[in-house]
Amino acid sequence: QSVLTQPPSASGTPGQRVTISCSGSSSNIGRNYVYWYHHLPGTAPKLLIYRNNQRPSGVPDRFSGSKSGTSGSLAISGLRSEDEGHYYCAAWDDSLSGQVFGGGTKLTVL
Amino acid sequence: QLQLQESGPGLVKPSETLSLTCTVSGGSISSSTIYYWGWIRQPPGKGLEWIGSFYYSGSTYYNPSLKSRVTISVDTSKNQFSLKLSSVTAADTAVYFCARHDRGVAAAFDFWGQGTLVTVSS
Repeated sequence: QSVLTQPPSASGTPGQRVTISCSGSSSNIGRNYVYWYHHLPGTAPKLLIYRNNQRPSGVPDRFSGSKSGTSGSLAISGLRSEDEGHYYCAAWDDSLSGQVFGGGTKLTVL
Repeated sequence: QLQLQESGPGLVKPSETLSLTCTVSGGSISSSTIYYWGWIRQPPGKGLEWIGSFYYSGSTYYNPSLKSRVTISVDTSKNQFSLKLSSVTAADTAVYFCARHDRGVAAAFDFWGQGTLVTVSS
């Protein structure tokens, strides 16, 4: 049972825009930054978004993040086949004094 | 470019201690006042779980659910840090990742290792 809640799956066709949600609480997302990672099995997870809406160097601007209250959201526009994989949200939790992750969302490009 | 590489036994018997090492190259664990380092795992078919993180000069944070069994230590002379998880069960079977926090323990993990699979089985 993950502390942050994500939909287990999402899908879209090439070129479409998809959004993945991440629901938390006042002790994590409500007070701290949201992060987003992309993961393909057998590889290292890749940081996509930090501090709610900031992209590391090299991450395309097709990826955008936002936060409202105790929820975060990742949007992917101009969907591509290489965007397939698992997406995880994360945040620091003040009550646990630790990082918490969402259960992950598997994105399929149809 | 910073690189992290996990190493250790791929098979551990139940009730024994899991031991992994993360070797950091392209940067020093002790060179900055803002970077923390940590361990994360992913059981088969499940999501990511944070295990714990540390700062090279002393501060350590552990997942409360694992705290009684986890020890993270650092060897700055080898630019490595280690994970020990005691009294393992099949539930500890997972891919274990080491990673770096960018700018503090509450920050995102910006560099990750490829991960190493550890299976707990007799």
